[in-house]
Amino acid sequence: DTGVSQNPRHKITKRGQNVTFRCDPISEHNRLYWYRQTLGQGPEFLTYFQNEAQLEKSRLLSDRFSAERPKGSFSTLEIQRTEQGDSAMYLCASSLRDGTDTQYFGPGTRLTVL
Amino acid sequence: AQRVTQPEKLLSVFKGAPVELKCNYSYSGSPELFWYVQYSRQRLQLLLRHISRESIKGFTADLNKGETSFHLKKPFAQEEDSAMYYCAPHNDMRFGAGTRLTVKP
Repeated sequence: DTGVSQNPRHKITKRGQNVTFRCDPISEHNRLYWYRQTLGQGPEFLTYFQNEAQLEKSRLLSDRFSAERPKGSFSTLEIQRTEQGDSAMYLCASSLRDGTDTQYFGPGTRLTVL
Repeated sequence: AQRVTQPEKLLSVFKGAPVELKCNYSYSGSPELFWYVQYSRQRLQLLLRHISRESIKGFTADLNKGETSFHLKKPFAQEEDSAMYYCAPHNDMRFGAGTRLTVKP
């Protein structure tokens, strides 16, 4: 297991297009998180799952954003009708709910909306 | 809601000098806090968590309930410590804004 992986690593799209990112967590981890990070800022929480259940969504997550984790393993984050303000690094992390909840982060997907 | 504040966006020290990165929290109960670090071109990773009271790479952090702080300290900074440091509460996903530490030779 090489840790949390994210695909693609980079995505350039035109305004108005839809994009989908994938996150593969560490295999035994039951929690999965999505964050957005812009230059000079800390990770901003978007949403998280415990197994396949989406337990919390930030109010940052507009209705253009949707996330799924259908089988409790990998997750996808879709952004519909992208806007230039969506340009950011999208980070995924996973953790094992064992009392420590240490999050292990993926490398991120850098989205550029032209 | 649990909140952490990192008042310094930038911190610069010389190699061998002591360094302290500040984190203040503002919630009740028994806080459990983490420090995460992101080195250049690497992914965000856990540095240490207060419940384990460990020292990692020479860094320590003590929870001060009186001052509601969880400052990260190292007595002698090294150039390889240059990175972004984030304070975060356990079981809550609201990271601090981060402090960029630069250790000059």
